[in-house]
Amino acid sequence: AQSVAQPEDQVNVAEGNPLTVKCTYSVSGNPYLFWYVQYPNRGLQFLLKYITGDNLVKGSYGFEAEFNKSQTSFHLKKPSALVSDSALYFCAVRDKANAGKSTFGDGTTLTVKP
Amino acid sequence: DTAVSQTPKYLVTQMGNDKSIKCEQNLGHDTMYWYKQDSKKFLKIMFSYNNKELIINETVPNRFSPKSPDKAHLNLHINSLELGDSAVYFCASSALTANSGANVLTFGAGSRLTVL
Repeated sequence: AQSVAQPEDQVNVAEGNPLTVKCTYSVSGNPYLFWYVQYPNRGLQFLLKYITGDNLVKGSYGFEAEFNKSQTSFHLKKPSALVSDSALYFCAVRDKANAGKSTFGDGTTLTVKP
Repeated sequence: DTAVSQTPKYLVTQMGNDKSIKCEQNLGHDTMYWYKQDSKKFLKIMFSYNNKELIINETVPNRFSPKSPDKAHLNLHINSLELGDSAVYFCASSALTANSGANVLTFGAGSRLTVL
């Protein structure tokens, strides 16, 4: 069975500071990893994904994520946070054997204060 | 032009009623999904259809019945609504390719169901 853990319900950072939103995963094979963002009263939007190749993945709005196989982690990062980055962030995983099903973490609310 | 559109956006109804939520995608995707987001914002998959065929059916009460008349549409019908069915229901779609696990989900804006 595949699973995702987002250990922090809430992350608070000041505008201009770097941010990290944590995600760890468990799958039986090679993982496909995704980050999605949800703004209030909206559907989820894709940010970035890791399939294979470079461990550092760059995505939309200046976000990046680092795949770490030994730590089974896929943390989301941004060098300089904006107030407009405040939203709910979801990590998701699929494994190749279960290609139709994405399992989502419980979400992390990011608040960026001016 | 909305890629994944759901109707209605808001639905308020009484316990015991039957209601439907419709979803349409114009992306040419082969696979469509229903997800439920509860009051704590947790997101759980309910169903997935690939080209009108059911491929994922999670542990969902049989009061919930998905229907896919064609690959661009996936509707959700709920019988005998209960208080616990109150949630936001999201439709999503993705393309079917040889490496379908890598495909991104495109979500609709959600349908907020409130059962009184």
